[in-house]
Amino acid sequence: KQEVTQIPAALSVPEGENLVLNCSFTDSAIYNLQWFRQDPGKGLTSLLLIQSSQREQTSGRLNASLDKSSGRSTLYIAASQPGDSATYLCAVIGGTYKYIFGTGTRLKVLA
Amino acid sequence: NAGVTQTPKFQVLKTGQSMTLQCAQDMNHEYMSWYRQDPGMGLRLIHYSVGAGITDQGEVPNGYNVSRSTTEDFPLRLLSAAPSQTSVYFCASSPANGGVSSGNTIYFGEGSWLTVV
Repeated sequence: KQEVTQIPAALSVPEGENLVLNCSFTDSAIYNLQWFRQDPGKGLTSLLLIQSSQREQTSGRLNASLDKSSGRSTLYIAASQPGDSATYLCAVIGGTYKYIFGTGTRLKVLA
Repeated sequence: NAGVTQTPKFQVLKTGQSMTLQCAQDMNHEYMSWYRQDPGMGLRLIHYSVGAGITDQGEVPNGYNVSRSTTEDFPLRLLSAAPSQTSVYFCASSPANGGVSSGNTIYFGEGSWLTVV
């Protein structure tokens, strides 16, 4: 059974710092991996989707990497801002519509 | 463009009561699903549907019922509410080959907070 783990569960950093969020999964037979952002009281918003044939995806200050063989993905946030404060979730996609979510990392960026 | 709309946003139920959480999407997506989110557990799939008239169970289906009579709507029914069903419920939808084909991502509603006392 696929298990997805995100460490740390919570992270607090000063504004301007570069940071890395981690996601690990137990079964490397995945199609894609996706990172989401969840603001308090809101649903999930897609940030980046990495296809299994890719090693990374970039969007603005965000860069996500994928290493299937080791079962790991990282989300790199450059020059963090207070507006980046949210919970970040990763999900591995094992087939059409088959999303398995991690428990998330709650990020707080201090002004 | 409304996306995925869930109602109600908040609900308090007494043990044994029944209720329906509504979900509607206006993107003509084939796939719709219901998740529950609990602290330390991540999102867990309750039920899903790959098209009108087709539903199936997810990881935690017990105590919940669904139907899909139209492409747009996918209501979740709690048959006899229990305190263990206190959670945040999210409805989601995606187009064909969601998650597998690049760009066919999943879209979430804003959640329904349910408390069972």
